[in-house]
Amino acid sequence: EAGVTQFPSHSVIEKGQTVTLRCDPISGHDNLYWYRRVMGKEIKFLLHFVKESKQDESGMPNNRFLAERTGGTYSTLKVQPAELEDSGVYFCASSRLASQETQYFGPGTRLLVL
Amino acid sequence: QKEVEQNSGPLSVPEGAIASLNCTYSDRVSQSFFWYRQYSGKSPELIMSIYSNGDKEDGRFTAQLNKASQYVSLLIRDSQPSDSATYLCAVNLLGGTSYGKLTFGQGTILTVHP
Repeated sequence: EAGVTQFPSHSVIEKGQTVTLRCDPISGHDNLYWYRRVMGKEIKFLLHFVKESKQDESGMPNNRFLAERTGGTYSTLKVQPAELEDSGVYFCASSRLASQETQYFGPGTRLLVL
Repeated sequence: QKEVEQNSGPLSVPEGAIASLNCTYSDRVSQSFFWYRQYSGKSPELIMSIYSNGDKEDGRFTAQLNKASQYVSLLIRDSQPSDSATYLCAVNLLGGTSYGKLTFGQGTILTVHP
């Protein structure tokens, strides 16, 4: 069974540009999560999809971040326009159920905004 | 006060010793607790999950939960150099719209030296 995959693995962009991150969850996992780790800080929750619906987006930093999961399969996270403080590692995770379920993490996308 | 706090590292133990990792959490309604291991540049992978008070053993790993004290720990017996990694404590609330969200501690770096 393939794990959670993320693309790209690394991205270096300039302030003001747009970047789109993609996550492909494990097949059959309805729950998809985005997290972010900023250097020196703990991993923080961004949002949670159940199929194509946003269940919880309380962790989204501001309206420069837009997440979608059309069709309930893969998800994209777009940052527009990117700011310096958006640099960090963006992780995607998925689970079959939500409560008391293991979340399987992808390898992350390392984003550097210059 | 941070929602999830881990004992500050780095923690260094000799090969064959017991490594003890600790975590406290602030939200009394927290119901699910997870320990993830993360090697440098890799994705977090689940080591243990625990939901009820007491001990849970899996091979060389034992998770201990005390909800009254809001404390969860991970013991690694017969530590091996391959156990050297960052260990992340994560807590999952049940209820409301946040039932899937994991809240992480900052992580404890463990080094097992031969």
